[in-house]
Amino acid sequence: RKEVEQDPGPFNVPEGATVAFNCTYSNSASQSFFWYRQDCRKEPKLLMSVYSSGNEDGRFTAQLNRASQYISLLIRDSKLSDSATYLCVVNPYSGYSTLTFGKGTMLLVSP
Amino acid sequence: NAGVTQTPKFRILKIGQSMTLQCAQDMNHNYMYWYRQDPGMGLKLIYYSVGAGITDKGEVPNGYNVSRSTTEDFPLRLELAAPSQTSVYFCASSPGQGRQPQHFGDGTRLSIL
Repeated sequence: RKEVEQDPGPFNVPEGATVAFNCTYSNSASQSFFWYRQDCRKEPKLLMSVYSSGNEDGRFTAQLNRASQYISLLIRDSKLSDSATYLCVVNPYSGYSTLTFGKGTMLLVSP
Repeated sequence: NAGVTQTPKFRILKIGQSMTLQCAQDMNHNYMYWYRQDPGMGLKLIYYSVGAGITDKGEVPNGYNVSRSTTEDFPLRLELAAPSQTSVYFCASSPGQGRQPQHFGDGTRLSIL
């Protein structure tokens, strides 16, 4: 099993739709989780951290399910500007110096 | 707020040439990282550093070298450029250990012909 796995997509949704992505991770000891956004040919940018109790930032909601070892990202009321690749990112071990990046899920929002 | 600055933004090299990709951060972060991203692929860690004078290999270090003489700078050196090193290179930094998010520069697009 790969350390971090994501459905590559693309997910094609109309404006205003709600869309959700999941990401699974292999190490049950993983401590930190993030969602990054990457626009075409641009650098990854932190979208949000994922906390154990779940957290929300405007139209974006992140959830963590430790029992099943996955994290999710929900986007409500999709905008054209949400079109991007969403990267699931995990710190595999406590005190580990690096993060493990998933390959990303592509989202395309159409008018 | 400059954040993480990478230079150059674009470069074309001939096979066998060498060059240094520059990365500087002004956030006083201890941790710095170099990644490469091939078209349609995920990020692969080349080297990282947990502080001045300390570097370690990542997933794909062959063909690259790094140094970290100051907190601010983390250059990546290609000694003998090969076509397989054509990629986009991202530098990132973070304030602490892996449980903290990383902040990325806007990348260097390198083509080797």
